[in-house]
Amino acid sequence: AQSVTQLGSHVSVSEGALVLLRCNYSSSVPPYLFWYVQYPNQGLQLLLKYTTGATLVKGINGFEAEFKKSETSFHLTKPSAHMSDAAEYFCAVSEKTSYDKVIFGPGTSLSVIP
Amino acid sequence: DADVTQTPRNRITKTGKRIMLECSQTKGHDRMYWYRQDPGLGLRLIYYSFDVKDINKGEISDGYSVSRQAQAKFSLSLESAIPNQTALYFCATSDPMDSVLTEGEQFFGPGTRLTVL
Repeated sequence: AQSVTQLGSHVSVSEGALVLLRCNYSSSVPPYLFWYVQYPNQGLQLLLKYTTGATLVKGINGFEAEFKKSETSFHLTKPSAHMSDAAEYFCAVSEKTSYDKVIFGPGTSLSVIP
Repeated sequence: DADVTQTPRNRITKTGKRIMLECSQTKGHDRMYWYRQDPGLGLRLIYYSFDVKDINKGEISDGYSVSRQAQAKFSLSLESAIPNQTALYFCATSDPMDSVLTEGEQFFGPGTRLTVL
């Protein structure tokens, strides 16, 4: 069975500092991996995804994530935090054989301190 | 206009009442989903539908039912609401054949905040 863990339900960073949100997954088959962002009072939108190929994936708003199979991780990073990055971030996994069934992690709330 | 819309956006109801949440999409996707979001639990799948004639239970379907009235419409019902169904509910769509760029991606509505007193 697939599962996703996100270390840290709340993360605070200073504006301009590195953002690192951690995600580990378990999957018995090659996974599709996603990061979604939820801004206040809005639905989720896709930040980036890994399906195949290059393990370093770049997304919107300067975010990127690296798929590390040996560590079963897909951590999200951004070199310099902006106030507008404050939001809830969800890591998710699906199996390539049935990729429409997505398992979401519990989420990490990111605060950016001016 | 938004591709995935949900009505109502907010609803307060009482225990025992029947409630229907509606979802409409203009993306032309065959696959639609209902999730609930609870703090610290992420999103959990309630029901999903791969086309009008195909309805499937998700991991937390007890106490819920759905109706797929058309490709574009997917409704979630709480037959007799209870307080622990208080949550944020999301509808989503996907289409594996849409394009390589959107492969695997789900598109979410803005959510319905439901409070059961």
